[in-house]
Amino acid sequence: DTGVSQNPRHKITKRGQNVTFRCDPISEHNRLYWYRQTLGQGPEFLTYFQNEAQLEKSRLLSDRFSAERPKGSFSTLEIQRTEQGDSAMYLCASSLGYREGQPQHFGDGTRLSIL
Amino acid sequence: EDKVVQSPLSLVVHEGDTVTLNCSYEVTNFRSLLWYKQEKKAPTFLFMLTSSGIEKKSGRLSSILDKKELSSILNITATQTGDSAIYLCAVRRTSGSRLTFGEGTQLTVNP
Repeated sequence: DTGVSQNPRHKITKRGQNVTFRCDPISEHNRLYWYRQTLGQGPEFLTYFQNEAQLEKSRLLSDRFSAERPKGSFSTLEIQRTEQGDSAMYLCASSLGYREGQPQHFGDGTRLSIL
Repeated sequence: EDKVVQSPLSLVVHEGDTVTLNCSYEVTNFRSLLWYKQEKKAPTFLFMLTSSGIEKKSGRLSSILDKKELSSILNITATQTGDSAIYLCAVRRTSGSRLTFGEGTQLTVNP
């Protein structure tokens, strides 16, 4: 049973650098979501895709953030010109959107630390 | 803006105790409420409650949705040290797919 896979698990970078994370959803899931979680808080929604279409974006997703899902399978989340406040756990989730009411299943996340 | 409030934020119990975790919500056009358990890594799905399924049970865990009071509880009976985790409550609207999460309840079960 392959769950949601995220890479890398940890990323340490200097402020101002660009970073890119990858998410591979559960294979038959057509919906893919990105969330951000900081210490002591629940996950906060960033964006979601149905197949390759990006259908919703949060106000949290500033213009330094961009997400893609070019072939409707894996997705990438890029943060440009990273800032200290970007330090967080970035979680990816997927669900089977053709059947409404299916829960989202999460990956283990990518922990980003900005020096 | 949708809002989810969980209480207590932190709870320490002894093995064998029964605990009740609370979740209250304000959401436009409520569709469902979900409970997740988060240990060190990914939140893992526990239950989803909707208007047509207001009570769920799995082993020692059970959950009830009160649509009138806009709240839900998660009960864990005969707690074990492996139940130690953060328990997250989230809600979803009828439109869109985003989940809005609460801060979580940190449960610690001591032997």
